[in-house]
Amino acid sequence: QQQVRQSPQSLTVWEGETAILNCSYEDSTFNYFPWYQQFPGEGPALLISIRSVSDKKEDGRFTIFFNKREKKLSLHITDSQPGDSATYFCAARTGGLSGKLTFGEGTQVTVIS
Amino acid sequence: DAGVTQTPRHEVAEKGQTIILKCEPVSGHNDLFWYRQTKIQGLELLSYFRSKSLMEDGGAFKDRFKAEMLNSSFSTLKIQPTEPKDSAVYLCASSLVGYEQYFGPGTRLTVL
Repeated sequence: QQQVRQSPQSLTVWEGETAILNCSYEDSTFNYFPWYQQFPGEGPALLISIRSVSDKKEDGRFTIFFNKREKKLSLHITDSQPGDSATYFCAARTGGLSGKLTFGEGTQVTVIS
Repeated sequence: DAGVTQTPRHEVAEKGQTIILKCEPVSGHNDLFWYRQTKIQGLELLSYFRSKSLMEDGGAFKDRFKAEMLNSSFSTLKIQPTEPKDSAVYLCASSLVGYEQYFGPGTRLTVL
């Protein structure tokens, strides 16, 4: 049972465009949502995260929009650059003491110039 | 500060062999995670330790997979015996309680 789902599976955008990556979840106890970026041959690295008390989080060209009612969030990459070409994972964690993350399947982004 | 270290980076094994993957977490981190990553299944949790105690063992992976944390700065993942379907990237991650997970570069395992 996949508790965190991502779409699309892959996405190609032109340099300078905005890439929009979608994520949805089922468990209403999830309250922390990090996005990880992974380049080939490397482990995932934290890109940006949001807590369920917020509806938006911005960090440079990366913005998370969060809709608690619909259990959906999205990652927007504005002014996409070829260096943003990577796989992006949405993850979720419940409150409490567990550090366990539940990951989505990932979205592979390709930025062409 | 050193990040998460994983060795070896690549491993090739024959079917039926025993292999041991190694991980050194970030110094001072309490939580340690082992994941398996494949294109089809994505990131799957194999084991989760907190302060060397096993918190979760990844259910379906109990059979031939055994992770251990010998001390707070070293962990191993043993696969015994290996099967071709075990070919994947194995990732180790660590974190302070309640904070972000830092991932190592992974070990790419190929089982022939």
